[in-house]
Amino acid sequence: SAVISQKPSRDICQRGTSLTIQCQVDSQVTMMFWYRQQPGQSLTLIATANQGSEATYESGFVIDKFPISRPNLTFSTLTVSNMSPEDSSIYLCSVGVPYYGYTFGSGTRLTVV
Amino acid sequence: GENVEQHPSTLSVQEGDSAVIKCTYSDSASNYFPWYKQELGKGPQLIIDIRSNVGEKKDQRIAVTLNKTAKHFSLHITETQPEDSAVYFCAASQEGNQFYFGTGTSLTVIP
Repeated sequence: SAVISQKPSRDICQRGTSLTIQCQVDSQVTMMFWYRQQPGQSLTLIATANQGSEATYESGFVIDKFPISRPNLTFSTLTVSNMSPEDSSIYLCSVGVPYYGYTFGSGTRLTVV
Repeated sequence: GENVEQHPSTLSVQEGDSAVIKCTYSDSASNYFPWYKQELGKGPQLIIDIRSNVGEKKDQRIAVTLNKTAKHFSLHITETQPEDSAVYFCAASQEGNQFYFGTGTSLTVIP
């Protein structure tokens, strides 16, 4: 299965600022996903990032707040913009190969103060 | 869309006992059902999965059963050990599409 390197592992940010999270995969993958996991909660899909096209956002998430880049088949970034304390969560990237499983990165624990 | 319910939310068992976590799903088109284990400070790790053409799958101490008619699937852990303590998530999806996750079960194995 793919190995994912996600950075940073954690950060404490001031409200109103932005943080960019990086996800590097050790093999080329078509589909990459970004999830949010609020404290003590399950995982919620933010968007699907496919190389060469705009990301597809789930209901409740918008591009202005969570812009995503996918410049190639092994890398993606998620930016959390104009942060507020409500954005404090764990953010996870995931890669999927249909029928062969999906792998998660170790997550970025974001605290907004 | 798909709706996945997971029970119980917390589970405590004595070391050596079995643990069972149950999930139900709503979309009969879902055909892939993975289970993830998440330890504190880490991302979810796939521990076992099952596809809709199979009723049961086992991997050492871990097994998953699927009842397509009733739309539910279960995770069974036998001979539990303290290192099995973690949060477990079930999920449902159509192959190649997004996952819908359950709300998680916090399992504590008491030595």
